[in-house]
Amino acid sequence: KNEVEQSPQNLTAQEGEFITINCSYSVGISALHWLQQHPGGGIVSLFMLSSGKKKHGRLIATINIQEKHSSLHITASHPRDSAVYICAVGVGGETSGSRLTFGEGTQLTVNP
Amino acid sequence: NAGVTQTPKFQVLKTGQSMTLQCAQDMNHNSMYWYRQDPGMGLRLIYYSASEGTTDKGEVPNGYNVSRLNKREFSLRLESAAPSQTSVYFCASRPPGYSPLHFGNGTRLTVT
Repeated sequence: KNEVEQSPQNLTAQEGEFITINCSYSVGISALHWLQQHPGGGIVSLFMLSSGKKKHGRLIATINIQEKHSSLHITASHPRDSAVYICAVGVGGETSGSRLTFGEGTQLTVNP
Repeated sequence: NAGVTQTPKFQVLKTGQSMTLQCAQDMNHNSMYWYRQDPGMGLRLIYYSASEGTTDKGEVPNGYNVSRLNKREFSLRLESAAPSQTSVYFCASRPPGYSPLHFGNGTRLTVT
């Protein structure tokens, strides 16, 4: 069983909808990452957080350390948001060499 | 500023052949990583290097070797390729401290 579980695995939405992707983890962590993998394969980091909430444009990431749960929200979704969203957790200090455990990803498709 | 550059983008090998995947970053990052991505599984760490001159095994190191040639470059070598090594390989880097990963665009490797 993966230490990082994402839900749903696949999500289809209509343009403009509010989207939520969930991530649960089973170990104590130092930080949680949300990544976006484009259809062409490239991976970019969206957020890195260890508490509370972060916002960047239409994207919002929240984390509840006690419940070992994080959510990624997309407001006013757009077809260009179609991608795989990956949750990853860092265990141990966030110093050079600290390792990440990745979820399997959530495939999001936003239809016009 | 190119970020993290991986070569080649695509490669087909026959079982038993060898090859080296190249990775270079121009961001002066200390830590560099090699991951593989397989369908239905999250990214898995093959090897990482916390600094120039040091390398450590990750989750799935068997069948691979690495070299941290200098601070910029971190190569992954397959000495005798096997079909089980068919995958998409990503190189990543990060600076020290509380910081996100920067990924290369990936290498799609097929071993027949």
